[in-house]
Amino acid sequence: AQKVTQAQTEISVVEKEDVTLDCVYETRDTTYYLFWYKQPPSGELVFLIRRNSFDEQNEISGRYSWNFQKSTSSFNFTITASQVVDSAVYFCALSEHYNTNAGKSTFGDGTTLTVKP
Amino acid sequence: NAGVTQTPKFQVLKTGQSMTLQCAQDMNHEYMSWYRQDPGMGLRLIHYSVGAGITDQGEVPNGYNVSRSTTEDFPLRLLSAAPSQTSVYFCASSYGQGQNTEAFFGQGTRLTVV
Repeated sequence: AQKVTQAQTEISVVEKEDVTLDCVYETRDTTYYLFWYKQPPSGELVFLIRRNSFDEQNEISGRYSWNFQKSTSSFNFTITASQVVDSAVYFCALSEHYNTNAGKSTFGDGTTLTVKP
Repeated sequence: NAGVTQTPKFQVLKTGQSMTLQCAQDMNHEYMSWYRQDPGMGLRLIHYSVGAGITDQGEVPNGYNVSRSTTEDFPLRLLSAAPSQTSVYFCASSYGQGQNTEAFFGQGTRLTVV
């Protein structure tokens, strides 16, 4: 069984602060995929990043960066110099590789980030 | 490109009524899924499909049926609506063939059962 834990239910920061959203996962598969999605107040779900289990390189995209560590089963997301527009619910998700489970993704409960001006 | 289209966007049902939430995608994706999102919770998988004619249960399948007669469509049927099914429903699709690419989500259907 796979599980995703986002221990931080809510985070509040002031604009321009850096913030890290934690994600810890559990899976018995050796091949799996991790994702982050953003859900702004308008309600749609927006894909941010995908990482497979064989690629532990950290990634940076503008103000966003991701730290994937298999040794601790974590896939953390950092926003640098946060902005009010970053206010949203952020979900971490895990998908297994093998076809019997490949259509399934398990989501964490989400972290609500509020960035105050 | 329309992407993933869900209809309706809003629906109010009375307890015991049945209805079908529609989901269509035009990206030729193999995988399609239905999730429900309740306040303070993540998305929970209801049913999913890895291709036309193939469906399977997710985490919370009770009270829902699905079928996948075509690659494009994946309707979700509520058999006898209950207040516990009040939720926001999302349909998603993604490429298959073991690529496990990101999911493309519809805009969601906000369902209220009274």
